[in-house]
Amino acid sequence: DIVMTQSPDSLAVSLGERATIHCKSSQSVLYSSDKKNYLAWYQQKPGQPPNLLIYWASTRESGVPDRFNGSGSGTDFTLTISSLQAEDVAVYYCQQYYTTPYIFGQGTKVEI
Amino acid sequence: EVQLVQSGAEVKKPGESLRISCKASGYKIPDYWISWVRQMPGKGLEWMGRIDPDDSYTNYRPSFQGHVTISVDKSINTVYLQWSSLKGSDTAIYYCARGAGGSLYYFDYWGQGTLVTVSS
Repeated sequence: DIVMTQSPDSLAVSLGERATIHCKSSQSVLYSSDKKNYLAWYQQKPGQPPNLLIYWASTRESGVPDRFNGSGSGTDFTLTISSLQAEDVAVYYCQQYYTTPYIFGQGTKVEI
Repeated sequence: EVQLVQSGAEVKKPGESLRISCKASGYKIPDYWISWVRQMPGKGLEWMGRIDPDDSYTNYRPSFQGHVTISVDKSINTVYLQWSSLKGSDTAIYYCARGAGGSLYYFDYWGQGTLVTVSS
């Protein structure tokens, strides 16, 4: 199985400041045939299901604020929240969908 | 509007059987795979397995293979997750989620979750 490792496990950021979360996969999730990275990011707030933020590593889902940005390729990926808002307090997960079993990172808790 | 609506919370005893459901609306269910994802109390997300509602093909994470069964009833746009013999370690929230496109896709819609509590 592909192992997905996020860092840090938690971070506290001041309102308006940048939050950066890293995700590393144990093997490349870049598909050679279509040159796409099969990597998604989700946000999960307490008591709610996960919500898709980013797919193909850097494509923002419709309706997601543009302060959320995904980057990276191959095995190393980053989710950046450019200016943290109070409503961004949540746990963030990366997920590879390059192959089954689909694997999520362990999650990163973002606090103010 | 795409929606996945799951059945309500369940409290069961070890050894009992259970089937929970995920009813899809707002799209053609045969066109998108449905996965089930487990979240144990205070823990992260674990993909359990998925089904192609078009032909009922399933594949499971090895650690769940043989312990759960995923099935579909296309006539009522509903996917199921079932256990024949529950264990205490099955206590968790279970989410269904739609794969956004073909067989390898991110999850664009999620159900609200079903809390399953297994306790003697």
